[in-house]
Amino acid sequence: EIVMTQSPATLSVSPGERATLSCRASQSVNINVAWYQQKPGQAPRLLIYRASTRATGIPARFSGSGSGTEFTLTITGLQSEDSAVFFCLQYHSWPPFTFGQGTKLEI
Amino acid sequence: EVQLLQSGGGLVQPGGSLRLSCAASGFTLSDYAINWVRQAPGKGLEWVSLISASGGTSYYADAVKGRFAVSRDNVKNTVYLEMNNLRAEDAAIYYCARDPRVSTIGNWFDPWGQGTLVTVSS
Repeated sequence: EIVMTQSPATLSVSPGERATLSCRASQSVNINVAWYQQKPGQAPRLLIYRASTRATGIPARFSGSGSGTEFTLTITGLQSEDSAVFFCLQYHSWPPFTFGQGTKLEI
Repeated sequence: EVQLLQSGGGLVQPGGSLRLSCAASGFTLSDYAINWVRQAPGKGLEWVSLISASGGTSYYADAVKGRFAVSRDNVKNTVYLEMNNLRAEDAAIYYCARDPRVSTIGNWFDPWGQGTLVTVSS
């Protein structure tokens, strides 16, 4: 089973600044990583797939990068509505599909 | 609009059974694989099960293997998760989530259903 480790657990950033969230895989997952945003009481929303492809309707402020074992989600021009928990998902080697434990972003 | 609409869930005693449903709206469910993902209160996401578009192939997390069964009725445009011998640690919000590509499996999940709460308690 591939373990996905996210850091930091919590990130506090001021409005307008940049946030950098990390996800590390226990073994190579190529570019088979997706990123999700989850707000309280809501289902996860897809932001990024294939490590760097933005999902439909996702603003350009959200960008993903990385390959192999190291992945990054960057959010620029932070807004209050960006406050959420962010999860990474690997779909390279399954079952099981595995998620990171999440990073809580506070604006 | 492409949507997954969930129903079922509720309170069940340890050892009991429950069936969750996931219905498609805005697309033909029979073209897509469906995953089930759960989230214990205040916790992260855990993949539970996957069923292929045809229903001929299914996969389970070790934690639920032998107790949960996924099935689909493509005429009713609905996927089911039958949960048996439920334990306290199965309590969670359960989400269904679609494979985004037609007739494939093993991709990211999008979109997701709204989730349904399963509580296991005596």
